Amino acid sequence: GQNIDQPTEMTATEGAIVQINCTYQTSGFNGLFWYQQHAGEAPTFLSYNVLDGLEEKGRFSSFLSRSKGYSYLLLKELQMKDSASYLCAVAQAGTALIFGKGTTLSVSS
Amino acid sequence: EAGVAQSPRYKIIEKRQSVAFWCNPISGHATLYWYQQILGQGPKLLIQFQNNGVVDDSQLPKDRFSAERLKGVDSTLKIQPAKLEDSAVYLCASSLAPASFRGKYTEAFFGQGTRLTVV
Repeated sequence: GQNIDQPTEMTATEGAIVQINCTYQTSGFNGLFWYQQHAGEAPTFLSYNVLDGLEEKGRFSSFLSRSKGYSYLLLKELQMKDSASYLCAVAQAGTALIFGKGTTLSVSS
Repeated sequence: EAGVAQSPRYKIIEKRQSVAFWCNPISGHATLYWYQQILGQGPKLLIQFQNNGVVDDSQLPKDRFSAERLKGVDSTLKIQPAKLEDSAVYLCASSLAPASFRGKYTEAFFGQGTRLTVV
C-alpha cells in the first residue's frame, strides 16, 4: 500500500524559517515532489528529489532520505504570500503522482 | 504558452443528476490526469491517460464515473449519477511524459479545476 504523512497545519511569522516534514511508505519509488497550492488555485511545482540530499532553489530547499522514507521542504525568509497548502507527492515508475493530504501554512506579520 | 484549460469552473447539481467536465491539456502533452480534491485533502488520482490509452484507472469509481480522451488531446470526465460525496474540485493535469522515469522528472501542470457541489 501507499501512505504519505505530513502535518495538517503550521504557523510561522514573516522572515522566519519553517520546515515541513513528509514521511512516506510506497511500493516502488521514483522520486518525491513538492507542490504549492494557494486557496482556490491549482497546485504548482516547487521541487523534485530522487537522490538523497538537499536540493536548493532560491528561498526553498527540499531534502530526501530514501532509506528513512523522509523528506522535508524548507522555506526561508518567509513572506505573507507563502501562506498556502504544501503538498508532498510520491512518484512510482511510469505512473501518476500520489499526493499526501497537504500542510496548510499560515504566515503572519 | 497556454496552460491547461478546464470548464466549467463551477457546477452545482442535485444528487442523482449527471455532470461532465472538460479538459484541454497543454499542446503536445501526451500524459493527462484527472484528480479529485476534497476540501482539506490532497488530490486523489482518478485516471491517467497516455495519449488516448488508459494507464491507471484503479481508483475511478467505474459504476458512476467515466472518462475518455478521444484523439489523445481533450478529455472529458463524467459522473452519472452524482452523490453528495462527489462534492469536490476536479483537477486536470498534463505533462509531456509520466511524472518520473529513470530518475528524471516531468513536471505536471494543473488546470484551475472545476468545483462541483452536489446538493
